[in-house]
Amino acid sequence: GDSVTQMEGPVTLSEEAFLTINCTYTATGYPSLFWYVQYPGEGLQLLLKATKADDKGSNKGFEATYRKETTSFHLEKGSVQVSDSAVYFCALSGVRGGENKLTFGTGTQLKVEL
Amino acid sequence: KAGVTQTPRYLIKTRGQQVTLSCSPISGHRSVSWYQQTPGQGLQFLFEYFSETQRNKGNFPGRFSGRQFSNSRSEMNVSTLELGDSALYLCASSLGVADSTDTQYFGPGTRLTVL
Repeated sequence: GDSVTQMEGPVTLSEEAFLTINCTYTATGYPSLFWYVQYPGEGLQLLLKATKADDKGSNKGFEATYRKETTSFHLEKGSVQVSDSAVYFCALSGVRGGENKLTFGTGTQLKVEL
Repeated sequence: KAGVTQTPRYLIKTRGQQVTLSCSPISGHRSVSWYQQTPGQGLQFLFEYFSETQRNKGNFPGRFSGRQFSNSRSEMNVSTLELGDSALYLCASSLGVADSTDTQYFGPGTRLTVL
């Protein structure tokens, strides 16, 4: 079945450092890929998405490119801020018609320090 | 546009009781999905409702059930609560288009604690 693998956390960075969170997936067909972010005590917020190969999703300085050849969707940000501290989830959507199901990775906790 | 709302935000129940959680989707969204989040199992899909019908179901026991109303609002019910049901229950809404590009938007969750 579908699966998503994320790098283990926590990831601790200094403010203004470069961020990469690795995400790879296994799926049949052509899934859509998503990054969600969860702040303490809150639900998930959609950060960005890509729906086909070579698409780049971007939002709030974060970017991720859908790489079908390496089945990856790594999250990057050039300069992190303390306010980016949160848990980040990579996810893919079901590829069969009518299947509105997200499969999530285990999440990566990011801590940004001054 | 108002986001997804969930009530209540926090619940404390004892083993054996039952509980009902409520979710109001974004206006115009017809699909509502439910997920369970625990430290041990992560985010797991419970079920999805579209046009008042369960369209998809995850691998949870029959104690977990749901329904959707004509205004797309949804409820989920857990009967005979067990300690392991303690979790954050997240609801997500989407337009419900039948392909993988459909994007789900999440509510703040209901934190259920079973004592």
